[in-house]
Amino acid sequence: EVHLVESGGGFIQPGGSLRLSCAASGFSFSTDWMHWVRQAPGKGLVWVSHINSDGSTINYADSVKGRFTISRDNAKNTLYLQMNSLRAEDTAVYYCAREVGSIDCWGQGTLVTVSS
Amino acid sequence: QAGLTQPPSVSKDLRQTATLTCTGNSNNVGNQGAAWLQQHQGHPPKLLSYRDNNRPSGISERLSASRSGNTASLTITGLQPEDEADYYCSAWDSSLSAWVFGGGTKLTVL
Repeated sequence: EVHLVESGGGFIQPGGSLRLSCAASGFSFSTDWMHWVRQAPGKGLVWVSHINSDGSTINYADSVKGRFTISRDNAKNTLYLQMNSLRAEDTAVYYCAREVGSIDCWGQGTLVTVSS
Repeated sequence: QAGLTQPPSVSKDLRQTATLTCTGNSNNVGNQGAAWLQQHQGHPPKLLSYRDNNRPSGISERLSASRSGNTASLTITGLQPEDEADYYCSAWDSSLSAWVFGGGTKLTVL
């Protein structure tokens, strides 16, 4: 069974940094594209970034380009999202998700709150 | 980045049929097809169908998806109380090199 567990969320002041992690199990992590998708409180889903199996192809949403960095460690079955220069509008639940055919399996999410 | 367009809300009676729509363009829905996700309050999204009408295992046959040009549709027959949820469409946009989501449709079963 696919299992994705996010961690690293919390309360941070504007301009600060956080690193999210996503521990994967139950599937062949090293062969699959992985994504971060976020959802602000009471709002819809917004795609943040994705990375291919070996990390050689990465794309970002315009809203986070230059501030967020996605990476992966296939030896540790872990996906990361380094978030710098955080803004109030980055406040959201951040989901880690796998792509097989489509974005098909999602973690439970970790809440990031950016506020002074 | 421009997203996909979904009606904010749809209300239907129990045991009736609901059809949800999602409109994009030739770079996303019209090119790659759309995926549909269901999200209940407080839970992560769940994939219902992808690339127009491929259903993951375990998804009810009451759900079917289709596409006509740049508009994707999700039809749910025999509505049940558990179908009340938010529904999102998504697609890969080859022009933006980004995934795009619709704003979501809140389905209410009366």
